[in-house]
Amino acid sequence: AQTVTQSQPEMSVQEAETVTLSCTYDTSESDYYLFWYKQPPSRQMILVIRQEAYKQQNATENRFSVNFQKAAKSFSLKISDSQLGDAAMYFCAYRSAFGGNDMRFGAGTRLTVKP
Amino acid sequence: DGGITQSPKYLFRKEGQNVTLSCEQNLNHDAMYWYRQDPGQGLRLIYYSQIVNDFQKGDIAEGYSVSREKKESFPLTVTSAQKNPTAFYLCASSISWEETQYFGPGTRLLVL
Repeated sequence: AQTVTQSQPEMSVQEAETVTLSCTYDTSESDYYLFWYKQPPSRQMILVIRQEAYKQQNATENRFSVNFQKAAKSFSLKISDSQLGDAAMYFCAYRSAFGGNDMRFGAGTRLTVKP
Repeated sequence: DGGITQSPKYLFRKEGQNVTLSCEQNLNHDAMYWYRQDPGQGLRLIYYSQIVNDFQKGDIAEGYSVSREKKESFPLTVTSAQKNPTAFYLCASSISWEETQYFGPGTRLLVL
């Protein structure tokens, strides 16, 4: 079964600085999707960014970008110009492209933004 | 306003009692999902439904039941067989099983 590992339980960043959250995954499949979700104190899960494994180009959404290294099975999230509203739990998730609904989540990284 | 709603926000269960968590979406999504989140952990899949009148067990279905009689509704019942029901429950939906899942605001279930 696929597993997703987030090795940083907590991270902190100064406002306006850049921070990178790590995620690695284990799979034998060649095609899949990767996601980063944000969970603020309200606890609603919000999609941050999505990456298709067959695309070599790294996904970008405004201040959020990923570094997708398929061979290394690594999918890190970079947040640029950090804002106070970025403070939240961030979850990395993996989903197979071959059917079923086998979406796997990491344990999360809690990001604190210091003013 | 299109979206996913979950009710109630907080729910209390007595020992031996069944309780039902509501999930409604007006996004015209075919697929719906229920996840459980425990403190310090990621989400785990309880049940999912790809289409009306069909649903499948996820990783931790024991002690839970669902129905999918309408496209927009996917209620979750936590039965008395679920011995550790205290958790945060999240409902999600997607246009189809291949597409990105979007989440509701969640229900916090506590046992009295």
